[in-house]
Amino acid sequence: DSGVTQTPKHLITATGQRVTLRCSPRSGDLSVYWYQQSLDQGLQFLIQYYNGEERAKGNILERFSAQQFPDLHSELNLSSLELGDSALYFCASSVGPGSGRGAGELFFGEGSRLTVL
Amino acid sequence: GNSVTQMEGPVTLSEEAFLTINCTYTATGYPSLFWYVQYPGEGLQLLLKATKADDKGSNKGFEATYRKETTSFHLEKGSVQVSDSAVYFCALEEDSGAGSYQLTFGKGTKLSVIP
Repeated sequence: DSGVTQTPKHLITATGQRVTLRCSPRSGDLSVYWYQQSLDQGLQFLIQYYNGEERAKGNILERFSAQQFPDLHSELNLSSLELGDSALYFCASSVGPGSGRGAGELFFGEGSRLTVL
Repeated sequence: GNSVTQMEGPVTLSEEAFLTINCTYTATGYPSLFWYVQYPGEGLQLLLKATKADDKGSNKGFEATYRKETTSFHLEKGSVQVSDSAVYFCALEEDSGAGSYQLTFGKGTKLSVIP
């Protein structure tokens, strides 16, 4: 158990809909990262928050948004869903902002599997 | 930009066989390198890491050496077990600016070990 909690574990929805994925980081971790894992693209970094503020952005679509709340949990909002958005969405956390060499140890949740029909 | 290339799987081995999973990278600087492992139904977890050239990371019988001259970080284990069946990801840590470092992952290599 990594200590990172993601809900829901599975979600099935239709094209055009909007969903929210939730992540609670490990106790004491200030950074939250969101990754998308799909068969063709592998594991893609979407966005990072550190202590409530956006820290870095990756390949996140404009239809997607995220935020980190004062209690440090994070939500990833996916809207106008398309078939190609079907994937496993991982949240990860780390203690610091990720700065410094070798600071790459992230703790991953078990993921939220999104299926868009 | 930075990238990581892993050997494509799936890889199927018999128990006690020798394992090598190749990983090469492209980076502008001198990144730290990692291997993560994803067991079925679980999230990724760090297996080992190396932060500079010629460093060897090791854990649970796995090891990998940071080779700057060949830009490689191949994962090896002398004798695999059924419990090693998982997906293995090579990753590098890159500076995304503003003092923040991000991980770039390879596509993963699925290993199946049969008794």
